[in-house]
This record gives sequence, structure tokens and C-alpha cells, in this order.
Amino acid sequence: KNEVEQSPQNLTAQEGEFITINCSYSVGISALHWLQQHPGGGIVSLFMLSSGKKKHGRLIATINIQEKHSSLHITASHPRDSAVYICAVIPLGGATNKLIFGTGTLLAVQP
Amino acid sequence: DGGITQSPKYLFRKEGQNVTLSCEQNLNHDAMYWYRQDPGQGLRLIYYSQIVNDFQKGDIAEGYSVSREKKESFPLTVTSAQKNPTAFYLCASSMGQREKLFFGSGTQLSVL
Repeated sequence: KNEVEQSPQNLTAQEGEFITINCSYSVGISALHWLQQHPGGGIVSLFMLSSGKKKHGRLIATINIQEKHSSLHITASHPRDSAVYICAVIPLGGATNKLIFGTGTLLAVQP
Repeated sequence: DGGITQSPKYLFRKEGQNVTLSCEQNLNHDAMYWYRQDPGQGLRLIYYSQIVNDFQKGDIAEGYSVSREKKESFPLTVTSAQKNPTAFYLCASSMGQREKLFFGSGTQLSVL
């Protein structure tokens, strides 16, 4: 079993829909990253969080440390949100060189 | 604009050949990383460097080598010892060891 599990693996939505991507992990962590990988391959860091909730534009990330779970929400989804979303965790006591990555959620938003 | 530049975008390797992937950053970041991405798998760390003239092996360093002679540059050499080199390679950097990561656009390496 992977230490970082994402669900769903694939997601298709209609433009304007509210989207939720989930990340569960089995180790204690000091921080969690949400990353976005566009079809061209480049990756952009969306959020780094260790507690609570962060918001940037139409994106919201939440984390529940006790339940070892994080969610990424996209409000009013748009075709340009189509990408692979990757969750990654830094284990307790570790640093960025110890990041454990999930396998990603492929999101397609149709117009 | 500040960022990370990887080149080339596509690279082909012949049997027994060493190839070098370039990674340059102008973000003044101390830490740099090389990751390998295979279909259906999470990113895996090949090598990382926290400071100039120092680097450490990651989880899958066998068949790869790196150098860090300048703060801005962290090239990765895929040697002939790497028997399964076909993958997407991503370079990243961060200000410190627990800071946000910045990624390049990647290099797709294939074997001829």
C-alpha cells in the first residue's frame, strides 16, 4: 500500500462544477504539498500547508492532521484547470528531500 | 523572470551512451533536486544538493551522476549503467529544505 493515496485517480467534470480531490497518507507529517502538472509536463506548486486551510483564487486546500487527510477543492471549474494534481507529504522530522509523492489525479474539465 | 530552465525538452539515448540533462535556476535557491517520473508512479528523488559543491543520493541514484559547481546549475548525467532510462525527468529548487518547491518544465528521455 502506498504511503500517499489520492482519489479519485481520474475525474471528469463539466465547466462550472465544484471539484474535490482527496489525499490520504499513512505517516506522520510535518507538511503537505499540492502540486499541479499541466499536459506539457511542468509542475507548479499550489499550496504547502501543515494545518487548517489555505485559499488562493478558486483553489482551496484543507488538511486534517489527526485524520491524516487533505482535500483540494476547485470552485467554478474551468477547462484551463485540466491537469494532473499531485499530493506530496514531508514525513515528521524530514525535509524536502524526503517528500513522498502520490500518483496524481487526472482532472479533465469539459466546456 | 525568475525560474528554472531545463533543456533539452526531448532527448534520445543510444545504447552505451551517457547523456546530460541541463538544469539552470535564477531564483538564488540553495537547494536543487532531480526527480524521475514514470507513468502511474509518484515522483522519485534521484539526487539533491543543499549547497554548492555538495550533493546527496536520493532513492534511485544508481546509474546517475550529478555535479553542483555553481549555485545556478545542477546537471544530471544518465550513464550507460542506467538500464531503464526512459522516463520524464524534472528538476526543482527551493530556498531551504522545508520551503516551497519550484519545478522546471522537464525533459523526456527515450532510448533509441
